[in-house]
Amino acid sequence: KAGVTQTPRYLIKTRGQQVTLSCSPISGHRSVSWYQQTPGQGLQFLFEYFSETQRNKGNFPGRFSGRQFSNSRSEMNVSTLELGDSALYLCASSLGWRGPTEAFFGQGTRLTVV
Amino acid sequence: QQQVKQSPQSLIVQKGGISIINCAYENTAFDYFPWYQQFPGKGPALLIAIRPDVSEKKEGRFTISFNKSAKQFSLHIMDSQPGDSATYFCAATFNDYKLSFGAGTTVTVRA
Repeated sequence: KAGVTQTPRYLIKTRGQQVTLSCSPISGHRSVSWYQQTPGQGLQFLFEYFSETQRNKGNFPGRFSGRQFSNSRSEMNVSTLELGDSALYLCASSLGWRGPTEAFFGQGTRLTVV
Repeated sequence: QQQVKQSPQSLIVQKGGISIINCAYENTAFDYFPWYQQFPGKGPALLIAIRPDVSEKKEGRFTISFNKSAKQFSLHIMDSQPGDSATYFCAATFNDYKLSFGAGTTVTVRA
């Protein structure tokens, strides 16, 4: 079955702009989580959506937001981009029910802010 | 604060040798401990995972050892191969959808 698909793979944006990243989870998975990966901070949890509702949120400023659609696809938006937002943004999908469910990651979107 | 501490930051092992990566956690509510493998340009891939009611789990050349009282767990890669060269992340969660990751260990296997 198809894996987690993230688009676009690469983005270059200018400071102050906004950006929207997309994630299509594995078919049947209802939970989508977003992570930021940087060399300095490692993998940091941004937020998680389940059935179109945000269930959990990490410690990121309000410039980072997301949403999930009825087909479980998710988008992440970053407004007023800063140089420090340059990172690999990963999404992970899982079934979303409590219990031993596995999280599968996409290949990520590499965002460069100049 | 970092809830999962991982060491070493990097290691080099000869082909056929054993790679050992250690992790320690603070939150006693954690109940699921996965390990991820990441190659350059790729997203992390689930390697193996363990629940705290089990002290050891083995899948092929990969073994997780878990010590609940010490709040520590480790990954052993037996008979390391050049294809195992990657970055490995331990993680922990108590609700299966918010993973707290360790800082990662870059493993280099020399042929």
